[in-house]
Amino acid sequence: EVQLLESGGDLVQPEGSVRLSCAASGFTFSIYAMSWVRQAPGKGLEWVSSISGIGGNTYYADSVKGRFTISRDNSKNRLYLQMSSLRAEDTAVYYCAKHLVLVTASPGDHWGQGTLVTVSS
Amino acid sequence: EIVLTQSPGTLSLSPGERATLSCRASHSVSSSHLAWYQQRPGQAPRLLIHHASGRATGVPDRFSGGGSGTDFTLTISRLEPEDFAVYFCQQYGTSPYTFGQGTKLEIK
Repeated sequence: EVQLLESGGDLVQPEGSVRLSCAASGFTFSIYAMSWVRQAPGKGLEWVSSISGIGGNTYYADSVKGRFTISRDNSKNRLYLQMSSLRAEDTAVYYCAKHLVLVTASPGDHWGQGTLVTVSS
Repeated sequence: EIVLTQSPGTLSLSPGERATLSCRASHSVSSSHLAWYQQRPGQAPRLLIHHASGRATGVPDRFSGGGSGTDFTLTISRLEPEDFAVYFCQQYGTSPYTFGQGTKLEIK
């Protein structure tokens, strides 16, 4: 059974940093693309970043480019999102999602339950 | 960036009725790389449809997707109580992989 467990969400001050982690199990982690998708309170889904399997090509939304970094450790079956220069508008539940296949041009077929990041002073 | 516009914003129907949700793209979605997700309150999104019309594993056959280019639809043939939720479309053909703003399907 595919399981994705996010952690690392916290209350962070503006301009602060935090690293999210997603522990994956139940599938061969290295050969699937992975993504982070966020949802501000009471709002819709916003794609944040994706990373392909194996080669690790990365993609970012313009709203986070230069501030967030996605990475993966295939030896530990973990996905990460390093978030810096945080703003109030980054406040959201952050979901980790496994893609259907190796490449990022595919939908997320399994999702974690999310971790909440709150940016406030 | 491809902007996805979903309509209607809210759809009020009764169990047993047919629901048709629309997703319109600002530019053609390459290779029909369009997905539909269902999100119930307090839950993570669930993949329903990929490649515009392919049902994901375990999704009941009352859910069907269609369309190509810039116009896509999600149809639920006969609504069950558990189908009342929010539905999002997403294009994953061109980065950034944008989502629509969602359609809330509520019980009439």
